[in-house]
Amino acid sequence: AQSVTQPDIHITVSEGASLELRCNYSYGATPYLFWYVQSPGQGLQLLLKYFSGDTLVQGIKGFEAEFKRSQSSFNLRKPSVHWSDAAEYFCAVGAPKAAGNKLTFGGGTRVLVKP
Amino acid sequence: GAGVSQSPSNKVTEKGKDVELRCDPISGHTALYWYRQSLGQGLEFLIYFQGNSAPDKSGLPSDRFSAERTGGSVSTLTIQRTQQEDSAVYLCASSSDRYTGNTIYFGEGSWLTVV
Repeated sequence: AQSVTQPDIHITVSEGASLELRCNYSYGATPYLFWYVQSPGQGLQLLLKYFSGDTLVQGIKGFEAEFKRSQSSFNLRKPSVHWSDAAEYFCAVGAPKAAGNKLTFGGGTRVLVKP
Repeated sequence: GAGVSQSPSNKVTEKGKDVELRCDPISGHTALYWYRQSLGQGLEFLIYFQGNSAPDKSGLPSDRFSAERTGGSVSTLTIQRTQQEDSAVYLCASSSDRYTGNTIYFGEGSWLTVV
């Protein structure tokens, strides 16, 4: 069965500093990988996704993520955080080309941004 | 609107009562999902509909939970004889088809509190 671990429940970062959120997955092969963001009172919004090819994926809002097969990781990064990035971030995996599009989500990482 | 619409946004109910949560997916999206987001459990898949196919109910936690989708569009999630552990945010989502990798768009959720 597939699973996703986000080791950091909370992260506090200063505005303008860099941010890295960790995601480790368990899956028999290379899954499809996703990062979603949930702002307070909002639904989840897709930041980026990885299917295959270039292991560095660019997303919206200046985020990027790097797939590392050897580490079963898909960490999310942003070079310079803005106050509006305060939110909860979820990593998710899905079975490639599987019908049903069921995603397995990690527990989430809540990001607090200090002025 | 253009997004996934859910109602009610907040619902407080007494233990033992039945509740219905409604989801209006993005127009033209054939796949519809329900997820539950609760403290300590993260995001859990509940049920998925694709067109006229039989729904995938594999995530429903008990027979008190059911869902239907009428006319391939609006969906209703029903929880009978609510329990306190049912308190959570119920998220509806839709995608243009059922295959993994197609972007899933989430609604803002229905926050259910069972007292």
